[in-house]
Amino acid sequence: AQKITQTQPGMFVQEKEAVTLDCTYDTSDPSYGLFWYKQPSSGEMIFLIYQGSYDQQNATEGRYSLNFQKARKSANLVISASQLGDSAMYFCAMREGWGGGGNKLTFGTGTQLKVEL
Amino acid sequence: DVKVTQSSRYLVKRTGEKVFLECVQDMDHENMFWYRQDPGLGLRLIYFSYDVKMKEKGDIPEGYSVSREKKERFSLILESASTNQTSMYLCASSLGRPGNTIYFGEGSWLTVV
Repeated sequence: AQKITQTQPGMFVQEKEAVTLDCTYDTSDPSYGLFWYKQPSSGEMIFLIYQGSYDQQNATEGRYSLNFQKARKSANLVISASQLGDSAMYFCAMREGWGGGGNKLTFGTGTQLKVEL
Repeated sequence: DVKVTQSSRYLVKRTGEKVFLECVQDMDHENMFWYRQDPGLGLRLIYFSYDVKMKEKGDIPEGYSVSREKKERFSLILESASTNQTSMYLCASSLGRPGNTIYFGEGSWLTVV
């Protein structure tokens, strides 16, 4: 079974609009973390936002917020006021556990976001 | 500023060649990782290392090996490159404690002909 599922291979949004990128996850570990990364066409992976499984509040970082619904096992990324520079591939990722190699990430297949004028 | 540097951005190698992909981080991180990225498959973990000379297999280690002789350097080795190893390779590093941000290099595009 997929541990991280991103069901939207591609999304379009108009500049200045908000957009939600979906991510669902599957784990039986009570301790986990969820990450979102942005990958522009140049290839580098840029860390955007992190949510821990015990965090009470949804994470926010500037125009990025994470809509964390633990019971539904979803961790959607919301980008407010989209900009042309937001056009990129977006990956959701999960870390499970805390011991040993507990910083390994499992990635979803990504969502390609295109922001239009 | 955080820096993970991959030595080559673009490589073209022949089938059967031994290929070295080098990664260096300047943040004194304990953990280092090698991922492979393919369209429609996302990033998949090849190997990771949580200390010098320590390594663990990831999800797709077949056809690859790694070396970590110094804390700042993590090398990915393709002993005998094959065309199905044509891909984008990403190196990453993080502090040892889980929950810390994982930083990525810019990626190495490898083509095996």
